[in-house]
This record gives sequence, structure tokens and C-alpha cells, in this order.
Amino acid sequence: EPEVTQTPSHQVTQMGQEVILRCVPISNHLYFYWYRQILGQKVEFLVSFYNNEISEKSEIFDDQFSVERPDGSNFTLKIRSTKLEDSAMYFCASRGDRGLTEAFFGQGTRLTVV
Amino acid sequence: GENVEQHPSTLSVQEGDSAVIKCTYSDSASNYFPWYKQELGKRPQLIIDIRSNVGEKKDQRIAVTLNKTAKHFSLHITETQPEDSAVYFCAATSGGSYIPTFGRGTSLIVHP
Repeated sequence: EPEVTQTPSHQVTQMGQEVILRCVPISNHLYFYWYRQILGQKVEFLVSFYNNEISEKSEIFDDQFSVERPDGSNFTLKIRSTKLEDSAMYFCASRGDRGLTEAFFGQGTRLTVV
Repeated sequence: GENVEQHPSTLSVQEGDSAVIKCTYSDSASNYFPWYKQELGKRPQLIIDIRSNVGEKKDQRIAVTLNKTAKHFSLHITETQPEDSAVYFCAATSGGSYIPTFGRGTSLIVHP
């Protein structure tokens, strides 16, 4: 069964550094999402991406964040100048079509900012 | 935007009992309601979903009900087993945005 894969599984970074979280969505999917989950809290929407552009973003997704689909298979989330409060599990998800179908989640990247 | 409230935050039951988790949503345009199960350290995985043209859906021991008028939907697990222990998230998706908005999650603990 196809899966969304994310790398790395765990990333530790110094405050102020830039990190890039990588995702490989399911190959024929068209809609891509990033969510984050602070420990013990709900899964929060960050951004959706379709047709090579951001289709929607939340208030959390400020200028510190950016997304890119550099090569047609990878989907990356870049966090510039990380802050302690960016520590969370980041999930990538993808969905196949415009119908109301299931979003498939990756296994997540745990980001720890120290 | 959509706001999803989920209760309870923690639910502890004995093996064999039933468990019910309830969610409400705010956007009357939402028309797709998936439920995800997240085991410790793993990704959220869809366990059941319901669309707005259906009031109830059942899959073996799990069922979901939807009341569009009241804007609430519930997950029912019967004959619970220890392997049902996990965090369960409800979500609501508006046909306009196609973005699932998640509830806060319910930590279900099934005691053997």
C-alpha cells in the first residue's frame, strides 16, 4: 500500500537555525498539507498546496515558514530562524482528488529546538 | 473558519465496554467527517468517515453518527479491546476548502 514518507524522523536544531522537513507524498496525489502537533495537543493545520502553489494557510504559517515542491516528488517545509515554540511533531499529508476523500498522513518528523 | 470541539479529552473503559466520543463543528458547509486513530508514536490513520448525506455508518465494532442540524457527530466503539487504546481525532472538512480541521483528540484507555 502506498504511503506518505517523511524524513528525518527526528530533528534537533539550535534556536535560530533553519530546518527543512521533507515529505514524499503518494505519487498520484494532487493535494498536499502540512500539519503540526505540539506534544499533547491537537493536530493543527499549517498550509495546503495544490498546483504548485499555496492554496490556503493558517495564522500559524507566518513569514517564518515556506513550502516548496522542488522536483515533482518531494514536498518540503522550511522553517527559518527556529524558535523554542516550534518544537512539535510535523505531519505531511496528501490527498488524491477534489472529492472528499481521505488524507493520508506521513509518520511525522519530531522537531526539537534547543 | 471551521472550529471542531471534541469531548472527552480522556476516556477510560474496561475491556468489553462501549466507548463514545463526541464532536461538534461550527461550519454548516462542512460535509465530510473523518475519524483518525493515532497510536503512540505513529501517524494518524483513518478508521471511518461519514459524508453529510448519511446519518450513520457502521464498520464492525465502530460506528459513526452525524446530526447535521445540530452540527455534531459521534464515534461509537463497542466491545472495546486493549488494542483500541489510542488517541482518536475527529475532523470536519468543508467542501470549499477540502482541509480537515481536527478536534483536540480523545485519549482512549481500555483496561484489560
